[in-house]
Amino acid sequence: ETGVTQTPRHLVMGMTNKKSLKCEQHLGHNAMYWYKQSAKKPLELMFVYNFKEQTENNSVPSRFSPECPNSSHLFLHLHTLQPEDSALYLCASSQGMGGVGYGYTFGSGTRLTVV
Amino acid sequence: AQKITQTQPGMFVQEKEAVTLDCTYDTSDPSYGLFWYKQPSSGEMIFLIYQGSYDQQNATEGRYSLNFQKARKSANLVISASQLGDSAMYFCAMREGQRSGAGSYQLTFGKGTKLSVIP
Repeated sequence: ETGVTQTPRHLVMGMTNKKSLKCEQHLGHNAMYWYKQSAKKPLELMFVYNFKEQTENNSVPSRFSPECPNSSHLFLHLHTLQPEDSALYLCASSQGMGGVGYGYTFGSGTRLTVV
Repeated sequence: AQKITQTQPGMFVQEKEAVTLDCTYDTSDPSYGLFWYKQPSSGEMIFLIYQGSYDQQNATEGRYSLNFQKARKSANLVISASQLGDSAMYFCAMREGQRSGAGSYQLTFGKGTKLSVIP
C-alpha cells in the first residue's frame, strides 16, 4: 500500500478509443499531479490540482482531459490518442503546493500503449 | 537551460561497494529543495532523501546520504554498501521556493541514472 493507488496498471488502447486513468490518494494531501514519463525523456508535468482546482496545465494537448472531483481522486480522460502518447503515466500527491520541503508521493503508474 | 543535470546515464557498482550518483542543478532562487527518488522496474517512484538549501548539514537516511555542495550547485547521492535491490533508475529533482512563471512549485526532474548492482 503506497498511499497513492493508480488503476489500471497497464492499458492498451486504440487511437479511436476513450479510456480513463484513475488515481486515489489516502494520505490526506491537498495537491495532486499527473506526470508523463516517456522513454529517454525527463518526467513531464502535465497537470496540477490544488484543493480540487487546476493550477497548472503545461500545454498538454486537449486529447488529455483531467478531472479532480475531490482532493483524494484524480482522473485523466483519454481520447483519440496518438502512438507517441504511449508512456508511463504517474500520479503524485503532496501535502502542500508551497514550501520547498514538500516532496511528492507517487503511485505505481499506468503503462499506456496506444496502437 | 536544464535545471537538473544528471550526467551519468548508467552506472555499475559491485555489491557491498559504495556508489555516487551525480546531480547538478541550476537556480537563482535562494530557497529550494533537492530530492532523490528511486524508480525500480515496477514503475513506482520512491522518495529517498531530501536536502533543503538552508540546511547546514548533509542529509542522511540509512544507507543514503546526500553530498550537498551549494557553491558548486551539486547534490550527489551516495549509496553505501550497495545491494542487489538497489538496481533501479535514480532521479534527482528540485523544487524552487519562488513563483516564477509557469511550472512553479513543481518538482523538476533530471533524466535519471540507471544503476546496476553486480553480484
